[in-house]
Amino acid sequence: DTGVSQNPRHKITKRGQNVTFRCDPISEHNRLYWYRQTLGQGPEFLTYFQNEAQLEKSRLLSDRFSAERPKGSFSTLEIQRTEQGDSAMYLCASSPRGRNYEQYFGPGTRLTVT
Amino acid sequence: AQSVTQPDIHITVSEGASLELRCNYSYGATPYLFWYVQSPGQGLQLLLKYFSGDTLVQGIKGFEAEFKRSQSSFNLRKPSVHWSDAAEYFCAGGGDFGNEKLTFGTGTRLTIIP
Repeated sequence: DTGVSQNPRHKITKRGQNVTFRCDPISEHNRLYWYRQTLGQGPEFLTYFQNEAQLEKSRLLSDRFSAERPKGSFSTLEIQRTEQGDSAMYLCASSPRGRNYEQYFGPGTRLTVT
Repeated sequence: AQSVTQPDIHITVSEGASLELRCNYSYGATPYLFWYVQSPGQGLQLLLKYFSGDTLVQGIKGFEAEFKRSQSSFNLRKPSVHWSDAAEYFCAGGGDFGNEKLTFGTGTRLTIIP
């Protein structure tokens, strides 16, 4: 049973650069979620997809952030013109059809913006 | 607005002692409630979940939680902790007004002493 995978696990970038993260959900899970976790805090919801449709976006998701799930399988989260405040752990989760709140998380991508 | 509160930032217990981690919620209706555990640098692992029905729910690794509507609480318990239980524990809620997202508490860091 393969869990949610995320790549890369760590990313260090300079301020102003663009970064892209990938999430591969558990097979046949139709919903995919992105969360952001800063040091000492719980995860905060960013956005989620049902299949390829993006159904909700948090106000945390500024114009510099974009997420896609083009074929309803893997998803990418891109941050343009990174800022130091973007440094965080970015977590992806997926849930099975009909059990939307039963979310299974990946190991996360830790982003450090220098 | 829905919220989840974990009043204890850090708890230290001796190995073999019992454990209770507190979680309070504020939701308009009965929420779905979860406990997750996060080891350093890792993603979140689902320990247990409450949707409805029996208010005492059993989870993995010997954990259980009890939903108490009158106290708006969903405390996590374990009768005897092991050194491997040292981690960060997050309570989360969802389901209010059809929201898909989970709302997390700020977490409780558990330290185990020999």
